[in-house]
Amino acid sequence: GENVEQHPSTLSVQEGDSAVIKCTYSDSASNYFPWYKQELGKGPQLIIDIRSNVGEKKDQRIAVTLNKTAKHFSLHITETQPEDSAVYFCAAQGGGGSNYKLTFGKGTLLTVNP
Amino acid sequence: GAGVSQSPSNKVTEKGKDVELRCDPISGHTALYWYRQSLGQGLEFLIYFQGNSAPDKSGLPSDRFSAERTGGSVSTLTIQRTQQEDSAVYLCASSRLRATDTQYFGPGTRLTVL
Repeated sequence: GENVEQHPSTLSVQEGDSAVIKCTYSDSASNYFPWYKQELGKGPQLIIDIRSNVGEKKDQRIAVTLNKTAKHFSLHITETQPEDSAVYFCAAQGGGGSNYKLTFGKGTLLTVNP
Repeated sequence: GAGVSQSPSNKVTEKGKDVELRCDPISGHTALYWYRQSLGQGLEFLIYFQGNSAPDKSGLPSDRFSAERTGGSVSTLTIQRTQQEDSAVYLCASSRLRATDTQYFGPGTRLTVL
């Protein structure tokens, strides 16, 4: 089955700096890669996603890049703000008969220091 | 509109007791998922319902776990004879139509087994 590795597990940045979180996946048939933000006591919320037919997608301060050859994708947050502090999860959704299953990384705790 | 709701938000039970966790998906969403999130871990897929099709139960960790979805809407996850290792946050998600549509998560139920 699919395996998703996420790094780093914790990340601390100063307000205004950029933050980058990286994920690798194992199943070359995976074709959908969402990123979720989870604040304390809440469920994960989708912040951006990318499908395998594009290499990069941007939404304001957030961008995701995908390298299908290397089987890795990354989340980039620019001009970080204290409210960006949360746990971020990457996920991969497979192709074939299990294309509804999301396999998640173990999360990155991002702390933005004012 | 209303998002995915789950109840109760917190549940404390004694080892050996049965518990029922409820999920109300977004109205009109045909796909429903249950995940388990253990402390410091990513989300672990448990079960998937799609319309009237037979559910994919491949992620259920033991036969003490079961789930049903009545009328294609509300779902209940039941854990029988709870064990301490069942302590986790149980998250429900729904998606609109296709398996590859975005999954929207509820706030979760935090289960503590004493």
